[in-house]
Amino acid sequence: KQEVTQIPAALSVPEGENLVLNCSFTDSAIYNLQWFRQDPGKGLTSLLLIQSSQREQTSGRLNASLDKSSGRSTLYIAASQPGDSATYLCAVLGTSYDKVIFGPGTSLSVIP
Amino acid sequence: NAGVTQTPKFRILKIGQSMTLQCTQDMNHNYMYWYRQDPGMGLKLIYYSVGAGITDKGEVPNGYNVSRSTTEDFPLRLELAAPSQTSVYFCASSYPPSGSSWETQYFGPGTRLLVL
Repeated sequence: KQEVTQIPAALSVPEGENLVLNCSFTDSAIYNLQWFRQDPGKGLTSLLLIQSSQREQTSGRLNASLDKSSGRSTLYIAASQPGDSATYLCAVLGTSYDKVIFGPGTSLSVIP
Repeated sequence: NAGVTQTPKFRILKIGQSMTLQCTQDMNHNYMYWYRQDPGMGLKLIYYSVGAGITDKGEVPNGYNVSRSTTEDFPLRLELAAPSQTSVYFCASSYPPSGSSWETQYFGPGTRLLVL
């Protein structure tokens, strides 16, 4: 059974720091992995989607990597800003839609 | 485009009552999904649909029903509300997969449900 974990559960950093969020999954048979951002009381916004054949994706200050063999993905945020404060979730899409598995999320707080 | 809209935003139900959570998307997406999110947990897939008239169970379907009569709408029905169904419910939609590539999902703002 696919399980997705995220470490750390919460993170607080001063503004300007570079930071890394981690996502681990137990079954490497995936189609893709997606990183989402969730603001309090809001829905999820897709940040980056990495297909299984890709190693990384970049969007602005965000860079996500994927290592299927080790069951790991990292989200790198450069030069963090207070506006980056949110919960970040990773989701793994398996071989069918009944295997969409989300991690519990990392709550990020960037202190001005 | 409004994207994915959900109503109501918040609802309190008594045990045994029924209700329908509404979800509408205006992006002409064939694929639609319902998730629930419990505190400190990731989202869990309840039901999904790959097109009008086609629905299938996800990871946690018990206690829920869905229908998909149009491309735009995907309502979620709770027949006999139970305290275990207290959660935040998210609807999402996406384009069909292209080859071996799955497309990103677009989420609604969520419906917060409290069953007492």
